[in-house]
Amino acid sequence: GIQVEQSPPDLILQEGANSTLRCNFSDSVNNLQWFHQNPWGQLINLFYIPSGTKQNGRLSATTVATERYSLLYISSSQTTDSGVYFCAVGPLTGANNLFFGTGTRLTVIP
Amino acid sequence: DAGITQSPRHKVTETGTPVTLRCHQTENHRYMYWYRQDPGHGLRLIHYSYGVKDTDKGEVSDGYSVSRSKTEDFLLTLESATSSQTSVYFCAISETIREQFFGPGTRLTVL
Repeated sequence: GIQVEQSPPDLILQEGANSTLRCNFSDSVNNLQWFHQNPWGQLINLFYIPSGTKQNGRLSATTVATERYSLLYISSSQTTDSGVYFCAVGPLTGANNLFFGTGTRLTVIP
Repeated sequence: DAGITQSPRHKVTETGTPVTLRCHQTENHRYMYWYRQDPGHGLRLIHYSYGVKDTDKGEVSDGYSVSRSKTEDFLLTLESATSSQTSVYFCAISETIREQFFGPGTRLTVL
């Protein structure tokens, strides 16, 4: 399967700070999603972004498929942003599977 | 939010007992998936379905079976639960081979 590496593994921010989370993947993909897992365990879809750039409020994401990486930007962080952020990718061929990274745990302190 | 429910939400069982988890969707999506989440591994695919009665194995399918007799329901069965199957189980759905949406999860503990 596709290897997915996320960095950093842990991140602690002061409220109001900005951050960049990175996702590297080992093969070409036709699907890339970013999720936020909140403290209650719910997986919330942030972006479906196999290529290009998208923005949604304080969050934005960029995927450079040719270089096999994606970035998630969080601006003006809030305590409600705390949780684990997962990157997941789907292969070009074969099963319609998502391969997940091990996540970035973000803690935003007031 | 996608209409996905999972039942039960929590379950404690003993080694060797059979367990069935249910995923129900109201979105009429073609694809359904079962993942497990364990510390240090992210989520990993157990089985998936690409239509009624059409299923296939994922990367961690040993010890699990699935069935899909209706579009809206996807069942995951542990024939004889083991402690290594203690995990959080997530169901997901997608209309195409694109964006997947996840249910709330089921926390299973096998004693």
